Amino acid sequence: EVQLVESGGGLVQPGRSLRLSCAASGFTFDDYAMHWVRQAPGKGLEWVSGISWNSGSIGYADSVKGRFTISRDNAKNSLYLQMNSLRAEDTALYYCAKDMNQWLSYFDYWGQGTLVTVSS
Amino acid sequence: NFMLTQPHSVSESPGKTVTISCTRSSGSIASNYVQWYQQRPGSAPTTVIYEDNQRPSGVPDRFSGSIDSSSNSASLTISGLKTEDEADYYCQSYDSSNPRGVFGGGTKLTVL
Repeated sequence: EVQLVESGGGLVQPGRSLRLSCAASGFTFDDYAMHWVRQAPGKGLEWVSGISWNSGSIGYADSVKGRFTISRDNAKNSLYLQMNSLRAEDTALYYCAKDMNQWLSYFDYWGQGTLVTVSS
Repeated sequence: NFMLTQPHSVSESPGKTVTISCTRSSGSIASNYVQWYQQRPGSAPTTVIYEDNQRPSGVPDRFSGSIDSSSNSASLTISGLKTEDEADYYCQSYDSSNPRGVFGGGTKLTVL
């Protein structure tokens, strides 16, 4: 059974940093791209960042480019999102999502999300 | 950069058929596959259609997807509506040239 478990969310002040993690199990992690997708309270889904199976291809939404860094550790079956210079508009539930392929296509499994609240 | 535009909300009665559209702002809708996700309140999204018109196992055949190049749009059609279909639906595609995922704004389906 595929499982994606996010962690690392919490309340953080504007301008500070936070690192999210996603622990994956139930599939061959290094065969697939992985993504972070967020959802602000009461709003729609927003793709944040994605990383290919071997970290050779990486993409970011314009809204986070230069502030967020995605990475993965295939030996640990883990995905990460380093979030710097956080803003109030980054407040959202952050989902880890598995891609169907080795790079950007669609998301066939999702975690339950970790909540990030940016507020003073 | 292209965008995907969906109606904010649709409503229909149980047993009827509803279609939700997803219009691509630039570039061909056929350039990259379109997916559809269902999200019930308090839950993570699940895929109901992938690669324009494919249904994952476990998704009833009441759900179907299509694309229309003339209107540059994709559509999700749900027939024989059930109250359990009430949810938010999102279309999604991707931009290969400027690697990024793209979601539509979401459509709230009410079955009343």
